Amino acid sequence: KNEVEQSPQNLTAQEGEFITINCSYSVGISALHWLQQHPGGGIVSLFMLSSGKKKHGRLIATINIQEKHSSLHITASHPRDSAVYICAVRYSSGSARQLTFGSGTQLTVLP
Amino acid sequence: DTAVSQTPKYLVTQMGNDKSIKCEQNLGHDTMYWYKQDSKKFLKIMFSYNNKELIINETVPNRFSPKSPDKAHLNLHINSLELGDSAVYFCASSLEGTTGELFFGEGSRLTVL
Repeated sequence: KNEVEQSPQNLTAQEGEFITINCSYSVGISALHWLQQHPGGGIVSLFMLSSGKKKHGRLIATINIQEKHSSLHITASHPRDSAVYICAVRYSSGSARQLTFGSGTQLTVLP
Repeated sequence: DTAVSQTPKYLVTQMGNDKSIKCEQNLGHDTMYWYKQDSKKFLKIMFSYNNKELIINETVPNRFSPKSPDKAHLNLHINSLELGDSAVYFCASSLEGTTGELFFGEGSRLTVL
């Protein structure tokens, strides 16, 4: 069964802390997405990666293909980072257009 | 300009009714999607569609059907609505032929009474 597991499910941090959210998957993938869902409900794509590491501002995403694991890091966290972060993978064996989603990590950053 | 727009944002209706949610993208993408987000915030693909192929998630009841009048639009029709259809429905688009970035609409919250 193809699964995407995220941890932790909930995370509360103080402003300024370094945050890590993890995503593990079970079989080979062609791409992994990190998405952010704001409290208002809208979903924004943060990263799409298939290897290595990507950085955008205070956000860093890494992926280890051999270990089937990805991490999303937020440096110098801020209350506006409070959102649900969702990992999604595109499996190598499946349709190129099908994504399987993790259950999300609810991040709350306190001032 | 909104890249992917959905209407309506909120829809409240009675069981048994038929309803539609519209989606339009102005990004020039050739592939569009419908996702369902349940009460636990879990996202699941329903359909993906371009002018070559419709891929349907086999768990989606056939009361749900996508309709695409052109590349920029993918509407979602739901017949004989049931209580369990209450959810937030997200439209998204991407460029086919790439493991491309997804652009999401704002979501449409459907409540079936």
